[in-house]
Amino acid sequence: NAGVTQTPKFQVLKTGQSMTLQCAQDMNHNSMYWYRQDPGMGLRLIYYSASEGTTDKGEVPNGYNVSRLNKREFSLRLESAAPSQTSVYFCASSVGAVGGQETQYFGPGTRLLVL
Amino acid sequence: AQSVTQLGSHVSVSEGALVLLRCNYSSSVPPYLFWYVQYPNQGLQLLLKYTTGATLVKGINGFEAEFKKSETSFHLTKPSAHMSDAAEYFCAVLNNAGNMLTFGGGTRLMVKP
Repeated sequence: NAGVTQTPKFQVLKTGQSMTLQCAQDMNHNSMYWYRQDPGMGLRLIYYSASEGTTDKGEVPNGYNVSRLNKREFSLRLESAAPSQTSVYFCASSVGAVGGQETQYFGPGTRLLVL
Repeated sequence: AQSVTQLGSHVSVSEGALVLLRCNYSSSVPPYLFWYVQYPNQGLQLLLKYTTGATLVKGINGFEAEFKKSETSFHLTKPSAHMSDAAEYFCAVLNNAGNMLTFGGGTRLMVKP
């Protein structure tokens, strides 16, 4: 049982390049989330998915797109990377309804540097 | 909108000393509150959470937190720090719609031998 896995672990991009961050969970969770973590700002929600086939914007969605490919996988895409998107990105999942009392389980993160 | 303030971005204690990490929140409804811990180069792990009921909540690794509505606080404590407690700690509150966690800026705990 690997929990929540993310690929890649590290990535360096040039401004304007695109990339997709991958996330998968093997806990049969319904809800999945993408956060970014910046120094002194905690984690901010980018997008979330309450169930397969549905996605919703979080606090900071601009510049990102997501796909809930199936129940296990939730990807985050940067179409045209900008230096302001340099951050650590975390994927998380939870059993049932989005938010609520459900504990969120986090992946190890992807460190992204945009030059 | 909900918000979370963690006083002190860095806290340093000696091994065996009391740990106190402060968290104040704003919420227009009874809040659901969480403490997460992040060890170096890892994702976040849940330490404890308050939903309803008893205001003193016990979590893993000897940590506990007390919900004080009158003070809008949810401070995290541990009686005796251990070297392995060195990590970053995040307080979070659930929004009114129940679909988003708002995190504080985090407090990095350092434990001196």
